[in-house]
Amino acid sequence: GAVVSQHPSRVICKSGTSVKIECRSLDFQATTMFWYRQFPKQSLMLMATSNEGSKATYEQGVEKDKFLINHASLTLSTLTVTSAHPEDSSFYICSARGATGASGGYTFGSGTRLTVV
Amino acid sequence: AQKITQTQPGMFVQEKEAVTLDCTYDTSDPSYGLFWYKQPSSGEMIFLIYQGSYDQQNATEGRYSLNFQKARKSANLVISASQLGDSAMYFCAMRDGGNNAGNMLTFGGGTRLMVKP
Repeated sequence: GAVVSQHPSRVICKSGTSVKIECRSLDFQATTMFWYRQFPKQSLMLMATSNEGSKATYEQGVEKDKFLINHASLTLSTLTVTSAHPEDSSFYICSARGATGASGGYTFGSGTRLTVV
Repeated sequence: AQKITQTQPGMFVQEKEAVTLDCTYDTSDPSYGLFWYKQPSSGEMIFLIYQGSYDQQNATEGRYSLNFQKARKSANLVISASQLGDSAMYFCAMRDGGNNAGNMLTFGGGTRLMVKP
């Protein structure tokens, strides 16, 4: 079945540094990638939607200059948290869809737990 | 307005018994999809079951079944013969619109299921 590899699974960084999270679709072409953030004991909140080769569409309240999304190819999308602060500590998870979605349709990465100290 | 509502923040069930997790949704689009995911403590999102708005029959996948009541806009998940490994967070999600790659998922607040031995 469809697989999305997300790395790193866990990262600790210092306040003020940047962190890059990668999501790769291993066996299908991901025309659309969704990036979610999940705070402890809360639900998944969509941050942005990216389509290959075009700029990401950000949800209201999400700073596009802070959360840089690049979807340069059909198999790779990256989320860079720039100048990270402790309040950015969260669980980030990507979800990819191909051009023809099956009934399941959405393939999730395994998530990245970011801790900013 | 909240599109997906899960009214049970937490539930207990005795091992080997059945349990129903509630989900109601709101949409004006005649074409939509409903999903259930399981999220264990590791954070990964495990797809369980899907129901399309035009599907005539309730979806079933092994021990999981979806009680789809379109007029009431509910899509409850039924887990039969609960197992200890079923203890996790469960999220109901909806895709508004047709099965196009660009349509995002909106998640409910989740229900934490705890299976008692």
